[in-house]
Amino acid sequence: AQKVTQAQTEISVVEKEDVTLDCVYETRDTTYYLFWYKQPPSGELVFLIRRNSFDEQNEISGRYSWNFQKSTSSFNFTITASQVVDSAVYFCALSEAFNQGGKLIFGQGTELSVKP
Amino acid sequence: ETGVTQTPRHLVMGMTNKKSLKCEQHLGHNAMYWYKQSAKKPLELMFVYSLEERVENNSVPSRFSPECPNSSHLFLHLHTLQPEDSALYLCASSQRSGQGLYEQYFGPGTRLTVT
Repeated sequence: AQKVTQAQTEISVVEKEDVTLDCVYETRDTTYYLFWYKQPPSGELVFLIRRNSFDEQNEISGRYSWNFQKSTSSFNFTITASQVVDSAVYFCALSEAFNQGGKLIFGQGTELSVKP
Repeated sequence: ETGVTQTPRHLVMGMTNKKSLKCEQHLGHNAMYWYKQSAKKPLELMFVYSLEERVENNSVPSRFSPECPNSSHLFLHLHTLQPEDSALYLCASSQRSGQGLYEQYFGPGTRLTVT
C-alpha cells in the first residue's frame, strides 16, 4: 500500500535558520513519483518539485534543496536561510506510475512557522 | 485568467440546499481532479477525470456529483450535505500521457461551510 509520512506536525524557526522537513514514503512499485507542495495561508497548493524514482540526484533551487534517498525511502526538503515568507504548510506526496488515475497520496503536512 | 481558478471562494449552505462548485483550468491540461481538505486531515482525492472521462471515484458519497463537460471545466454538484462535509475543496489539473505523470496544479479552493 502507498503511504506518505511527515512526522513533523509543526516546526518553528527564527528567520535565517536552516530547516529540514522530513518525508518518508512506502510503495511496492519500482516506478513512482514524489512531489513537494507548499500551502500558504491563502490556501492554494503551490507545486515545488517532482522527482521520479530513477533519479536520485539531489536538487537545489535557490534556497530550496531536496535529498532523495531510496535506501531509506525518504525525500527530505531543506530550506536554507529561512524567511518569514516561507511560513506555510508543506506537503510531500507520492504517485505510482502505473496508477491510471494519477492519484497523489499526500502526507499529513508540516506547518512551518518562520519568526522574524 | 491564468492557472486554475475556482468559484466561489467561500460558500455557506444549509443541509437541504443544492449548490455547485466550478473549476476552470487555463493550462491546456487533459486531466482534472477534486480533492477535499478537512482540518487536521491529509488531502483526500475525490474524483479524477482524464480526457473528460471519470477514471476514479474514491468512495465518495453520492451527495457529491462531479461533472466534466470538457477538458477545461470541472464542476462539483452538492446536495443534502452534512456538517462534516465542511472543508476546503481543491481542484487541480495536470497533463497525462501514457505512463507519464506530471505535477498537478491547484486552484485556490472553495471554503465550504455546511450549517
